[in-house]
Amino acid sequence: KAGVTQTPRYLIKTRGQQVTLSCSPISGHRSVSWYQQTPGQGLQFLFEYFSETQRNKGNFPGRFSGRQFSNSRSEMNVSTLELGDSALYLCASSPRGTVGNEQFFGPGTRLTVL
Amino acid sequence: AQTVTQSQPEMSVQEAETVTLSCTYDTSENNYYLFWYKQPPSRQMILVIRQEAYKQQNATENRFSVNFQKAAKSFSLKISDSQLGDTAMYFCAFTPYDYTGANSKLTFGKGITLSVRP
Repeated sequence: KAGVTQTPRYLIKTRGQQVTLSCSPISGHRSVSWYQQTPGQGLQFLFEYFSETQRNKGNFPGRFSGRQFSNSRSEMNVSTLELGDSALYLCASSPRGTVGNEQFFGPGTRLTVL
Repeated sequence: AQTVTQSQPEMSVQEAETVTLSCTYDTSENNYYLFWYKQPPSRQMILVIRQEAYKQQNATENRFSVNFQKAAKSFSLKISDSQLGDTAMYFCAFTPYDYTGANSKLTFGKGITLSVRP
């Protein structure tokens, strides 16, 4: 079974631009979560989607948004990029999104904002 | 709100020795799950071990075991017979129990960098 895939793996943008990151979960997994990883803040939860609905949202500004498609693939979008948005963005999927289920992480997208 | 604290930023251990990584957490929940995740230098995060708070028995997975002290809100990871491949960043994580499955987000600690020396 293929693992969680994320595209692109690396991205360089400039301030003020917007960016879209993509995540394909493991086949059969319906829950997709997004996390931001930075050296200073560590891993922070962005949001979770389950069956095309956002179920949970972390404490991030409205510039961060996401969606999930009927095939469970998910995208996250960051508008009006700021230098502080430079981070590794991790996507994780789980079978049903129920508590205690293992979350399977992708390799991440490294975003650099200049 | 839940918090997870990993106070040791770095640790080093000789190959074949045993090392213990510390984690404390704070929550008002009575039922929850705790995890240790490993992130090797290649960056793919993988689950090492999981503990259910309502189970008194400490979880074990081969060379990995935990010491779960619910009253003290402590959740340490012991790695026995350390191997070079154990070199990675280790994150302690928490998620509250919710039978609806509506709250599956993970709250992570800052992580600890473990280096295994040959």
